Amino acid sequence: DGGITQSPKYLFRKEGQNVTLSCEQNLNHDAMYWYRQDPGQGLRLIYYSQIVNDFQKGDIAEGYSVSREKKESFPLTVTSAQKNPTAFYLCASSIWGLAEQRDTGELFFGEGSRLTVL
Amino acid sequence: ILNVEQSPQSLHVQEGDSTNFTCSFPSSNFYALHWYRWETAKSPEALFVMTLNGDEKKKGRISATLNTKEGYSYLYIKGSQPEDSATYLCASLNAGNNRKLIWGLGTSLAVNP
Repeated sequence: DGGITQSPKYLFRKEGQNVTLSCEQNLNHDAMYWYRQDPGQGLRLIYYSQIVNDFQKGDIAEGYSVSREKKESFPLTVTSAQKNPTAFYLCASSIWGLAEQRDTGELFFGEGSRLTVL
Repeated sequence: ILNVEQSPQSLHVQEGDSTNFTCSFPSSNFYALHWYRWETAKSPEALFVMTLNGDEKKKGRISATLNTKEGYSYLYIKGSQPEDSATYLCASLNAGNNRKLIWGLGTSLAVNP
């Protein structure tokens, strides 16, 4: 089945450690995104990528890093510089519409990864 | 600053009741309005993506309307069922926003059998 796979579902980390969350999609989508969800807040965009080997900072990129070496994969590294890393992280993808295609940006999501820093 | 607001924050209804939620969004430079359903322990799934003022979309017992001039959308559920229990998120996509959706906080619906 086509979809987005995130791993791990649950992750515990000690303070000062970097951790990488995996996101893989087999939908052949150009665009991929990482969101963070905290209680009482809407989804906030961390990073997004429109094409392989290119990515842009979202609204809360500080303390995070990403790579996009393959179309299918968009891993997120939560570094020790992220001050409040405990959160639920969602990965998503979408078709990145060309000028002649009307793409309304519907997102396809993974099931999320919950990171807890001890 | 662009804000998307949803109301109510939470809702409890009995099975068979019909219900509706509201999403308000900035009307300037509007491009698309998204509705997603997010069930516990699952991934959010798109319900509707709406672009045209006055548009109405329907999927089974769920329908949505869009008013881009005044900046609001309604989501209706007819004859709620326990399986409709979920958080319903809306998000606004504005032209020139470089594909960045602005998300509301969601409406949490609980349908009691």
